[in-house]
Amino acid sequence: KNEVEQSPQNLTAQEGEFITINCSYSVGISALHWLQQHPGGGIVSLFMLSSGKKKHGRLIATINIQEKHSSLHITASHPRDSAVYICAVRLGNQFYFGTGTSLTVIP
Amino acid sequence: NAGVTQTPKFRILKIGQSMTLQCTQDMNHNYMYWYRQDPGMGLKLIYYSVGAGITDKGEVPNGYNVSRSTTEDFPLRLELAAPSQTSVYFCASRDWADTQYFGPGTRLTVL
Repeated sequence: KNEVEQSPQNLTAQEGEFITINCSYSVGISALHWLQQHPGGGIVSLFMLSSGKKKHGRLIATINIQEKHSSLHITASHPRDSAVYICAVRLGNQFYFGTGTSLTVIP
Repeated sequence: NAGVTQTPKFRILKIGQSMTLQCTQDMNHNYMYWYRQDPGMGLKLIYYSVGAGITDKGEVPNGYNVSRSTTEDFPLRLELAAPSQTSVYFCASRDWADTQYFGPGTRLTVL
């Protein structure tokens, strides 16, 4: 069984702050994903990583395969970034998910 | 493109009843998934399919069944509903670039 651990569970930040969310996993994986779940419940895919680093707007995701660790960074945070951020790993055709990090950005 | 659609959005079942959660995607994706999300827990994989006619169990398949007769549709069947099946159910499809597309979810309560 693969375990996916995220930290922190909850995070409150002031608008404009730099935010980091961490994800660690216990076995070799095919790929790692970061997802965003909106307050209304909808889930969207942000990044898929198998190595290195990806950037999309103010979001940056990195992965260290040797250390089995990934981070999601948000620069210049904004209240619209408030959501639950979920880390997921793919082993073969199956996905395993962390419990999510609930982010609240205060104006 | 409607993406991934799910019906119904909400449903209340009595213990022992059965129902089918519908999932349809119009992106011609081979891979499709059913997940459940319980409060404070991560999404858990129930069943998945790699193409029409091919399905396989995930982490938590007990009490559920699936079929995949077409590329577009991947219904999830609950037989003999139990309170432990109260959850939010998400259907998703996956494209060639490994991106998942999620449906809006079905909130199911079993009383």
